[in-house]
Amino acid sequence: DQQVKQNSPSLSVQEGRISILNCDYTNSMFDYFLWYKKYPAEGPTFLISISSIKDKNEDGRFTVFLNKSAKHLSLHIVPSQPGDSAVYFCAAIHYNNNDMRFGAGTRLTVKP
Amino acid sequence: DTGVSQDPRHKITKRGQNVTFRCDPISEHNRLYWYRQTLGQGPEFLTYFQNEAQLEKSRLLSDRFSAERPKGSFSTLEIQRTEQGDSAMYLCASSLGFGDSPLHFGNGTRLTVT
Repeated sequence: DQQVKQNSPSLSVQEGRISILNCDYTNSMFDYFLWYKKYPAEGPTFLISISSIKDKNEDGRFTVFLNKSAKHLSLHIVPSQPGDSAVYFCAAIHYNNNDMRFGAGTRLTVKP
Repeated sequence: DTGVSQDPRHKITKRGQNVTFRCDPISEHNRLYWYRQTLGQGPEFLTYFQNEAQLEKSRLLSDRFSAERPKGSFSTLEIQRTEQGDSAMYLCASSLGFGDSPLHFGNGTRLTVT
């Protein structure tokens, strides 16, 4: 029962360009969405989040967009830097439920 | 903020042995979570504590698994009679306890069952 899906296992972009990571979900009860970044041998690190009452949240180079009608969210990184190379996980949760669901991750490689 | 600490980082055990992992959450966080991650997958929820009370368990948590959080501080996850399918990264996370509080993860314990 995979309620959060990241259909692209990998993405490669050139330094300075935009990285767009996508995530789809099936459970319309989700009301909070998060992106985590994971480097090898480390645990996931919280990056940015968005509530279902918003359609955009921005934090520096990172912007998350939410399209509730399409059950789709995306993470934009502009400009991309080599240090952004990591695995990015999309996650979703319902406020009354403590079972945060994660996608399978997208490995981003930013080439210098 | 020293972050979430997990011990050991790696554990290799033979099938049928018992193993125990420890997690020390961020001190002011009252929620503590255990997740499991296998290769190519995202973290999967196992169980969750609010202070010392274990409030939710996933169906992934078979009766060979037990978790405790005495006095609402550190937590332990024990796996009895380990099986090769238990090989995975076991992640602990903590949060402040509000519905939209992000989870702060430790670096995990990688279990290999031979």
